[in-house]
Amino acid sequence: KAGVTQTPRYLIKTRGQQVTLSCSPISGHRSVSWYQQTPGQGLQFLFEYFSETQRNKGNFPGRFSGRQFSNSRSEMNVSTLELGDSALYLCASSQTGAGYNEQFFGPGTRLTVL
Amino acid sequence: KQEVTQIPAALSVPEGENLVLNCSFTDSAIYNLQWFRQDPGKGLTSLLLIQSSQREQTSGRLNASLDKSSGRSTLYIAASQPGDSATYLCAVSPTSGTYKYIFGTGTRLKVLA
Repeated sequence: KAGVTQTPRYLIKTRGQQVTLSCSPISGHRSVSWYQQTPGQGLQFLFEYFSETQRNKGNFPGRFSGRQFSNSRSEMNVSTLELGDSALYLCASSQTGAGYNEQFFGPGTRLTVL
Repeated sequence: KQEVTQIPAALSVPEGENLVLNCSFTDSAIYNLQWFRQDPGKGLTSLLLIQSSQREQTSGRLNASLDKSSGRSTLYIAASQPGDSATYLCAVSPTSGTYKYIFGTGTRLKVLA
C-alpha cells in the first residue's frame, strides 16, 4: 500500500508570493492533517480535514488555508508569504482522525521564503 | 493547556546499550499517545501507538509504556544500533475531540558504532 505522498518536495518563493502544497493520503484514509515544523517552534498543528470538512484549525493567521477533495486528497495554501513561513510542512493521514487511529506522515514539503 | 516535554533533548550512547527516552504531558486527559522517529530532513515514521486504556505496546526492540495518571510515557530501545540514530518524538491527542496531536520537542539520539 502506497504511503502518504506530498508534492512538491521543495519550494523556493519570495516574500509576498503565494504557494499551494498538495497531499495524497493513504488509500482508504479520510482524515488529513497538516503540521508546520520549524527549529524554533517544533511541530505545530495547522488544520485537519475529514470528508471535505475542516474539523479543527490551529493558531495560525488566515493566510494559511486548506481544503480537501472528494478523493481525500488535500491542499494547503499560504498567501502573502513571509520569511517566517519558511518551514517543513508535513501532512498526515489516518482512517478517522488523530486520537482514534494511528497517523502516518508524508515526507514533507520544504518551503524556503526569500 | 496541554504541554509535552521530552527529556533529554539529546543523547549519545555506544552501540548495544539499552536506553530509555522520556515523555511528559501536563494534562492526563488524552485519547492516545504515539511515538515517532524522524531522520534529518525527512518526515515522521510511526513507531508505536498507545491507546489511553493501554499500559504498553511492543514492536521488535521497542517498548513504549504509558502512565496516564502521572502524565508520563517512556520509550525503551533494546540493544541500540547506529541505525537507531534519529530524533524521537512523542505526541498526545487530547480527549476533547480536536483531531490533532500535540508534539513534544523531541530527543535527538546518536548511537555510536
